[in-house]
Amino acid sequence: DSGVTQTPKHLITATGQRVTLRCSPRSGDLSVYWYQQSLDQGLQFLIQYYNGEERAKGNILERFSAQQFPDLHSELNLSSLELGDSALYFCASSPQRQVSPNSPLHFGNGTRLTVT
Amino acid sequence: DQQVKQNSPSLSVQEGRISILNCDYTNSMFDYFLWYKKYPAEGPTFLISISSIKDKNEDGRFTVFLNKSAKHLSLHIVPSQPGDSAVYFCAANRPFGNEKLTFGTGTRLTIIP
Repeated sequence: DSGVTQTPKHLITATGQRVTLRCSPRSGDLSVYWYQQSLDQGLQFLIQYYNGEERAKGNILERFSAQQFPDLHSELNLSSLELGDSALYFCASSPQRQVSPNSPLHFGNGTRLTVT
Repeated sequence: DQQVKQNSPSLSVQEGRISILNCDYTNSMFDYFLWYKKYPAEGPTFLISISSIKDKNEDGRFTVFLNKSAKHLSLHIVPSQPGDSAVYFCAANRPFGNEKLTFGTGTRLTIIP
């Protein structure tokens, strides 16, 4: 158990809808990262928050947004969903602002989003 | 642009033999590399890392080798065990700019009993 909790585990929704994915980081971790894994693809970095502030942005669509709350949990909001948004969405956390060999990312078990 | 490549989608190895998983990268600015292991329905878990100033790091049955001139790293598992069957992701980190790990597409390792 990595200590990172993601809910829900599975989500099935229709095109055009909006969903919210939730992540609770490991106790004490200040950084939260969101990754997307589409079929047969590697993990694509979406966005990072550190202690409530956006820290880095990757290939995140404008239809997607995220935030980190004062209790350090994070939410990823996906709107105007398209079929191509179907993927596994992983949240990861680490204690520091930057990933390092001594502070690797710890991943949750992911949310599987299916858009029909 | 796929900066981290794992060209073998799958690999099968007999139990007790050596498993070698390969990873190539294109960005010479990467300063360290990590391997993650992923079981079905679980998130990736950290396995082993190596700094760009080293050429080898060992942890039990797992050894990672880095060849900077070839921009190539490999993960050796000796001896391979059935519990090693999983998808292995190679990841690389840049020290500056958008601070993120860049992941490869993964190699599915199957250990044959």
